[in-house]
Amino acid sequence: EVQLVQSGAEVRKPGESLKISCKGSGYSFTTYWIGWVRQMPGKGLEWMGVIYPGDSDTRYSPSFQGQVTISADKSLSTAFLQWSGLKASDTAMYYCARQVGVASGPFDYWGQGTLVTVSS
Amino acid sequence: IVMTQSPATLSASPGERATLSCRASQSVSINLAWYQQKPGQAPRLLISGASTRATGIPARFSGSGSGTEFTLTISSLQSEDFAVYYCQQYNSWPPWTFGQGTKVEIK
Repeated sequence: EVQLVQSGAEVRKPGESLKISCKGSGYSFTTYWIGWVRQMPGKGLEWMGVIYPGDSDTRYSPSFQGQVTISADKSLSTAFLQWSGLKASDTAMYYCARQVGVASGPFDYWGQGTLVTVSS
Repeated sequence: IVMTQSPATLSASPGERATLSCRASQSVSINLAWYQQKPGQAPRLLISGASTRATGIPARFSGSGSGTEFTLTISSLQSEDFAVYYCQQYNSWPPWTFGQGTKVEIK
């Protein structure tokens, strides 16, 4: 059974750093792109970027380029999303998801989400 | 590519037919997916390739369209179908953009 299990909710202060995780199981982790999607409170879905764990090829949305870092450790079958200086506007639910297809495709399996709250 | 969904909210009764629209600012061929999201849950893939139902998705959900105009139809609304629906293009990246969503609520 394919599963993506995300790390738990986090509360941080503005300016702090944070790294959240997404562990894949039940499939070959290195042969599917893993993406991250932001959902701000009461809002829609925003595609942030994807990583191919096999070679760490990473693509970012222009809206998120330079604001976050996506990485993966294939030995742990885990993808990561990190911030070096959080802002209150980073408060959101963050989902990881597996992309169908090598070149392009939708997200067929999703993690349960990690709620990040940034508040002083 | 900008994805625009309409209407923002659709009010309907159980048993009724629901038609949701998604328009792309430029052609995405058939590289279009639909997702359902219920409160407190992660999105769920319903349709990919504009018209192919994902595994386990009931036949009352159908997708159509190509190029810039797409439709998700729910033939007979069930109580569990009241949710928010998003379209997503995966033709030109980055990013694979989502629409802003259509909320299907009980009338």
